[in-house]
This record gives sequence, C-alpha cells and structure tokens, in this order.
Amino acid sequence: AQSVTQLGSHVSVSEGALVLLRCNYSSSVPPYLFWYVQYPNQGLQLLLKYTTGATLVKGINGFEAEFKKSETSFHLTKPSAHMSDAAEYFCAVSPTKGGGFKTIFGAGTRLFVKA
Amino acid sequence: DTGVSQNPRHKITKRGQNVTFRCDPISEHNRLYWYRQTLGQGPEFLTYFQNEAQLEKSRLLSDRFSAERPKGSFSTLEIQRTEQGDSAMYLCASSTGTSGGADTQYFGPGTRLTVL
Repeated sequence: AQSVTQLGSHVSVSEGALVLLRCNYSSSVPPYLFWYVQYPNQGLQLLLKYTTGATLVKGINGFEAEFKKSETSFHLTKPSAHMSDAAEYFCAVSPTKGGGFKTIFGAGTRLFVKA
Repeated sequence: DTGVSQNPRHKITKRGQNVTFRCDPISEHNRLYWYRQTLGQGPEFLTYFQNEAQLEKSRLLSDRFSAERPKGSFSTLEIQRTEQGDSAMYLCASSTGTSGGADTQYFGPGTRLTVL
C-alpha cells in the first residue's frame, strides 16, 4: 500500500527566504508524485507533478521539486518566499502500475510567510 | 472551461437525515473523483468514476454512502442516516482520464457538511 508523509504540519518563513516543504512516500514501485496547493477558501490546484524523465520538476509560481528515488522523497522548494505563497500544500502519490488511479494525499503543510 | 462546481457549498443537517451532494465536472472530463477532508488532514479518497462506471471504492465508503454518475457527466454523493462523524468537507475532482495515474485532477470548492 502507498503512503505519504509530510514532515511538519506548519512551516514559517520570512518573506524572501527559502521555502522547503518535505515529502516522503512509501510505495513498492516509484509512483507518480504531485504537489497541490490550497489557498484559503479555494479548491486545490496542481503546483507540479513528476511522471517520468527529468527528476527536477518545475511548477507554477517559481516552485520546483526533485524526485529522489534512493531517498523516496519529493521535497518542494522555492528560492524566495512571497506573502502570496501562504497556503496549505499537499504532497500526493498515485500508482504507476496496477492499483487503479487512487490518489493518496499527505496530511498537508501549512506555510506561513512573515513580512 | 468553467471549472468543477459543487452544490451545495454548505449543508447543515441533523443526525439520521439523508443528504445528497452534486458535482459537475469540467466538460469532457472522463474521470471523476470524490474525497473527504477533515480538519488538519489531506483529502481522503472515497471513490472514482471512469465515465459512468464506478471503478474503485475506498473502505471508508460504508454502506451508508453511495455515489452515482448516471450519464458520465455530473455525479451525486448520497449519505444516508448521517452521523456526527460524517461532518467534513466533501471534495470532487475531475480529470481527462488520458494519462492514467498521472492525470492532473481539477478540484471543486467542496461541500462542507455539518451533522448536528
């Protein structure tokens, strides 16, 4: 069975500082990997995803994530935080082989950005 | 695309009542998903449809829950004999269904259910 662990339910950074949100997964084979963002009073939207190929994936709003198979990780980063990045971020996995299309989400990390 | 819409946005009901939620996916999206999200947690998978066929159901979906997508367009999620533990945000998402498990899911705003 697949699972996702997001380290840290809350992360606080200063505006302009590096953002690092951690995600580790458990899966018998490497899954597809996603980061979704949920702004207050809005639905979840995709930030980026890894399916195949280059392990460094660039997404919207300056975010990127790197798939590291050896570490079973898919951490999300952004070089310089902006106030508008304050939101909840969810890491998710879905199977690449068999197992249907059931997507498993992590518990989320709420990002606070201080002025 | 007008996006995924869900109705109602909020529902307050008394324990034991039945409730039904509706989800209208992005037009021509073949796949439709239902999730439940409680405070401080990520979305939990409930079920998904490929066109009108319900292909997978979570064990979270007890016999009191039923979902339909009769013509492969909109979907309904019904909860019978609601319990206080059913209080949550119910999310709907849709995707094209063309990329297997790599599909990007587009989420609606959710229906917040409160069971008194």
